[in-house]
Amino acid sequence: LAKTTQPISMDSYEGQEVNITCSHNNIATNDYITWYQQFPSQGPRFIIQGYKTKVTNEVASLFIPADRKSSTLSLPRVSLSDTAVYYCLVGDPAYGGSQGNLIFGKGTKLSVKP
Amino acid sequence: EPEVTQTPSHQVTQMGQEVILRCVPISNHLYFYWYRQILGQKVEFLVSFYNNEISEKSEIFDDQFSVERPDGSNFTLKIRSTKLEDSAMYFCASSDGTGVPRWYFGPGTRLTVT
Repeated sequence: LAKTTQPISMDSYEGQEVNITCSHNNIATNDYITWYQQFPSQGPRFIIQGYKTKVTNEVASLFIPADRKSSTLSLPRVSLSDTAVYYCLVGDPAYGGSQGNLIFGKGTKLSVKP
Repeated sequence: EPEVTQTPSHQVTQMGQEVILRCVPISNHLYFYWYRQILGQKVEFLVSFYNNEISEKSEIFDDQFSVERPDGSNFTLKIRSTKLEDSAMYFCASSDGTGVPRWYFGPGTRLTVT
């Protein structure tokens, strides 16, 4: 499993764009990059997933450079409710194999201030 | 959006007692997981379950733990003889096994062992 490195914490203000970068130098060919959000005392919630280039959905964008050794989660115009821990996970989503589960790191604690 | 549900939301038990944590995965999902999170620490993988058997388990999932899918809807985690260090949030997750997988997590059960 590829190890991931992300900042422990980030601060932002309401209305700003927030970019959280994750390093995964040992990413394997079959690995996908997935980001989850977790609020205190709640289960992780899927945000976005990608393999390469750029992926965008209604809540975020995910930028993955050509070498795939890093990825950046972009949250446009954050609000106070975006205060949470954000996890970057890298793994082969093959079912039934040893990669078929998610391994969480420490994540990035994002604090959004008014 | 479909939801994974868990009961109870909070369970208090005495050391040495057995507890059963219950989960109802999303109805058409085939893969089921238990994770735990000790207060202030990482989300840790416990076990994955597919086709009525354990696919993979972590070193945390020792003989005190067991999982079962007693009927077509419930997925349970049993801890036979709880220890103080079992106090944590326990999250159930499921995925449907099609395409690039996405894990759906439940809200968690807070287990307090006294």
